[in-house]
Amino acid sequence: DGGITQSPKYLFRKEGQNVTLSCEQNLNHDAMYWYRQDPGQGLRLIYYSQIVNDFQKGDIAEGYSVSREKKESFPLTVTSAQKNPTAFYLCATATGVAGEQYFGPGTRLTVT
Amino acid sequence: GENVEQHPSTLSVQEGDSAVIKCTYSDSASNYFPWYKQELGKRPQLIIDIRSNVGEKKDQRIAVTLNKTAKHFSLHITETQPEDSAVYFCAASNNAGNMLTFGGGTRLMVKP
Repeated sequence: DGGITQSPKYLFRKEGQNVTLSCEQNLNHDAMYWYRQDPGQGLRLIYYSQIVNDFQKGDIAEGYSVSREKKESFPLTVTSAQKNPTAFYLCATATGVAGEQYFGPGTRLTVT
Repeated sequence: GENVEQHPSTLSVQEGDSAVIKCTYSDSASNYFPWYKQELGKRPQLIIDIRSNVGEKKDQRIAVTLNKTAKHFSLHITETQPEDSAVYFCAASNNAGNMLTFGGGTRLMVKP
């Protein structure tokens, strides 16, 4: 888990602004994921990427965008189209052994 | 797609007692079942997992059991301690792209 970093830890934005959350990993994992967690709720998948230059929508992709130009990096942009963006955002990577995912420390985004 | 249900949503036990959290899944092709522990404001941490070729797995005070026929699996924590207090998530995967489907979480409170 120490090989997955997310920055910043806390992020505050005004409504209507796009914001980009960083996720970097040095674990040499091919697959990376973005989840959203609301208070008292489970984890919902936003986007995932199995390989560089390829990514797929998850269950709640509307209002979000991603890129995967490098194996180490999978940034998430929360656009102004996301109606309720305030949440805890978690990035994860997968080892390639079926199913095992490890999480970064998360970014708590507050939009007012 | 896969659907994972988790019960109970909250569980309060006395220190030293056992705690059991149960999950059911819908996709008979699922073959990997991890459990994560998430402390307040922190990332989910993988604590134990089980694959479908095994019925039970144990690691010190925690154990997981799997019933493939009934499509349910459970987390057992014995001799609970206050530091076990956290939210626990179950998940299931059918190997497709290392995708995990999470349950809604159980908030475990261990009273001293």
